[in-house]
Amino acid sequence: QVQLVESGGGVVQPGMSLRLNCVASGFIFRKDALYWVRQAPGKGLEWVAAISDDGKIPHYADSVKGRFTIARDNAKNTLYLQMSDLRNEDTAIYFCARVNYGDYPSWGQGTPVAVTS
Amino acid sequence: QSVLTQPPSVSGAPGQRITISCTGSTSNIGAGYDVHWYRQLPGTAPKVFIYAITKRPSGVPDRFSGSRSGTAASLAITDLQAEDAADYYCQSYDSSLRGLVFGPGTKVTVL
Repeated sequence: QVQLVESGGGVVQPGMSLRLNCVASGFIFRKDALYWVRQAPGKGLEWVAAISDDGKIPHYADSVKGRFTIARDNAKNTLYLQMSDLRNEDTAIYFCARVNYGDYPSWGQGTPVAVTS
Repeated sequence: QSVLTQPPSVSGAPGQRITISCTGSTSNIGAGYDVHWYRQLPGTAPKVFIYAITKRPSGVPDRFSGSRSGTAASLAITDLQAEDAADYYCQSYDSSLRGLVFGPGTKVTVL
């Protein structure tokens, strides 16, 4: 079955950087667009970034545009989220997700990021 | 501010039927993109309860059903039970944003 396992979260100070990873299995990784979604404490779900199956076309939410970079390595079945210039409001649990038309959506368990001085 | 609109809360007595609405626009739900419904308990990852508008994963009771009409979708829960109390989120895709869109979540309370 589809598995998505995030890692790389942690506690960082404002202005610092962090890279999240998501290792995938159970599907043909190179054929699917993938997403990052986050949830701040006590808040709802917020889409962060998307990337096409070949990794050439990224899209970002306005809240992270210019600071976050989504990328993927299809040879390693791994999705990345490079986060720079982190702010307190970036504190959240970050999930990677596979959401295809007509198909069952799959999410990882999430990795927590805390931005605090 | 969420792209999709949901009521903040819905409540009902055990055994009753409730519905949760999810209103979007012509660039998401109205464009024919899938709508998925998630249930989330505190401290846990969202769990899929309805996907592709009407499909129910194995293990989800048939008391749960989904539908879509125009730019809106709905989640219905019949024979409401205490264990149904949770937060429910709708999600679709938006062609303008080129990304996923979510509702703000609806808190279901069983009276």
